[in-house]
Amino acid sequence: QLQLQESGPGLVKPSETLSLTCTVSGGSISSSMYHWGWIRQPPGKGLEWIGTIYFTGNTYYNPSLKSRLTISVDTSKNQLSLKLTSVTAADTALYYCARVPSDFDPNWFDSWGQGTLVTVS
Amino acid sequence: QSALTQPASVSGSPGQSITISCTGTSSDVGLYNYVSWYQQHPGKAPRVMIYDVIDRPSGVSHRFSGSRSGNTASLTISGLQSEDEADYYCSSYTTSSTVVFGGGTKLTVL
Repeated sequence: QLQLQESGPGLVKPSETLSLTCTVSGGSISSSMYHWGWIRQPPGKGLEWIGTIYFTGNTYYNPSLKSRLTISVDTSKNQLSLKLTSVTAADTALYYCARVPSDFDPNWFDSWGQGTLVTVS
Repeated sequence: QSALTQPASVSGSPGQSITISCTGTSSDVGLYNYVSWYQQHPGKAPRVMIYDVIDRPSGVSHRFSGSRSGNTASLTISGLQSEDEADYYCSSYTTSSTVVFGGGTKLTVL
């Protein structure tokens, strides 16, 4: 059974870099059948798509975050990572990693991690 | 990119049907057959209930159905049950190769 587990520092100072890891178990992150994404949710607010990395290595980012964002995959560790630079209080959120099971629909996230809360302060 | 528009809240009594709308534009909801709906209970991760506008993942009750008319997608829940009380989010693929979510709708089962 596929499991995704986000990890990283719960507290980041303003202007610093937020780095998160998502460890995938029960499946291979390098499978050509899947792509991987990050979504966040500020406390008490709605979901915001951060970005998606395709099996090919191509990445697509939320335009509002693109200049500060890097999403990558480490196949040797079966991990997905997110780096967001120059963070502000507006980046405080619960960060989720998720799997995209379709080559045709990049908008379908079928498995999610439990999320990790990051506070910028 | 602008968030898709959803009503902030809807409510219904057990056994009734409710519909949640999700309005986008001709560059997202109206263009692609790539609209998803997610259910989120408090403190839990979202769960996909509908994908590709009308398709249900295995394990999702047939009481949940999706549709679309023009730039507006809809999620209908029939035979409302107490466990359906949750937040619901729509999302769509866009012409910019990005994904956009709706603001979310809180469903209350009276």
